[in-house]
Amino acid sequence: DAMVIQNPRYQVTQFGKPVTLSCSQTLNHNVMYWYQQKSSQAPKLLFHYYDKDFNNEADTPDNFQSRRPNTSFCFLDIRSPGLGDAAMYLCATSRDLASQETQYFGPGTRLLVL
Amino acid sequence: QKEVEQDPGPLSVPEGAIVSLNCTYSNSAFQYFMWYRQYSRKGPELLMYTYSSGNKEDGRFTAQVDKSSKYISLFIRDSQPSDSATYLCAMTWRQGGSEKLVFGKGMKLTVNP
Repeated sequence: DAMVIQNPRYQVTQFGKPVTLSCSQTLNHNVMYWYQQKSSQAPKLLFHYYDKDFNNEADTPDNFQSRRPNTSFCFLDIRSPGLGDAAMYLCATSRDLASQETQYFGPGTRLLVL
Repeated sequence: QKEVEQDPGPLSVPEGAIVSLNCTYSNSAFQYFMWYRQYSRKGPELLMYTYSSGNKEDGRFTAQVDKSSKYISLFIRDSQPSDSATYLCAMTWRQGGSEKLVFGKGMKLTVNP
């Protein structure tokens, strides 16, 4: 089935040790998003790619970077994870950027920072 | 004031109950209104979305939008234990040339058999 896949589902890293989270999609969608969701909080958009165009949210810390080498894959790099970065990271895709376009979410990667 | 307000609950109801979930918002520019369901340890999945004020039905689910009051609701009839999940309202608007999706905090619902 067409879907949004995130690997790994659980990731443990050490304070300050760079970590990369992976997302792939078989929907051939133009837009890929990364959200951070902390416990009992709303998902918070970090950035998105429209095709190769990267769009960073104004309040996303510089510690968070992203790469999209092709249509199917998008990576979230956390350069120096802090304890406050422990969260669920959700990848989502949409066909386009219009308001009515549905976003399809992956299952998320839960990041633990020790 | 946050853009989207949603009571985080939790809410616990017996099987068969009618459930009402609500969100209020402050931004008149919101265009599309959505309800996502998120099971434990899973990503959100879209349940319903609507554009205009009024009601939209899909099986046991009804989404209601009142733009004049800036208030949206999701009703679940004949609730089932499988409906136990966190329900997030979400809204989109255009900011700086791109569409933004803003979520509420989510309401955790438990339906007890």
